Amino acid sequence: EVQLVESGGGLVQPGGSLRLSCAASGFTFRTHWMDWVRQAPGKGLEWVANIKQDGSDKNYVGSVKGRFTVSRDNAKNSLYLQMNSLRAEDTAVYYCATDLLGATARWGQGILVTVSS
Amino acid sequence: QSVLTQPPSASGTPGQRVTISCSGSSSNIGRNTVNWYHQLPGTAPKLLIYSNNQRPSGVPDRFSGSKSGTSASLAISGLQPEDESDYYCATWDGSLNVLVFGGGTKLTVL
Repeated sequence: EVQLVESGGGLVQPGGSLRLSCAASGFTFRTHWMDWVRQAPGKGLEWVANIKQDGSDKNYVGSVKGRFTVSRDNAKNSLYLQMNSLRAEDTAVYYCATDLLGATARWGQGILVTVSS
Repeated sequence: QSVLTQPPSASGTPGQRVTISCSGSSSNIGRNTVNWYHQLPGTAPKLLIYSNNQRPSGVPDRFSGSKSGTSASLAISGLQPEDESDYYCATWDGSLNVLVFGGGTKLTVL
């Protein structure tokens, strides 16, 4: 069974940093592009970033470029999102996901990040 | 303001057929396939339709998708109370180099 489990969320002050992790199991992690998607309270889905199988290609939504960094460790079947210079508008549930535009899309349960003083 | 435009709400009575539209442009829907997701409050989204019109196993054939030009649609026939959910379209935008979601449509079963 495919499982994606996010961790590392919580409350952080504006300007602070947080690192999210996603532990993957039940599929061949190293052969899949991986994504981060977020959802602000009461709002719709917003794609944040993705990373190629070997980490050689990464894409970001404009609002997080220069502040967020996506990375992966295929030996540990893990995906990461380093979030710096956090703003109130980054407050959201963050989902780890894969194959979002394919036939086998999978999502984690999500982790809440709250940016507030 | 989402790159893909969906109506914020839709409604129907049990047994009816409803459609949800997703309008984009030549850089996204016009050149890439569309997936549809549904999401219940407090839960992660789930895949409903992939590659414009394909249903994953387990999704009832009451759900169907289509695409024409720069627009896509999700149709739900024989509406049931459990279909009440938020629905999102998604595709890749080749000009922006980002994955884009529609703003979401809240479906109410009256």
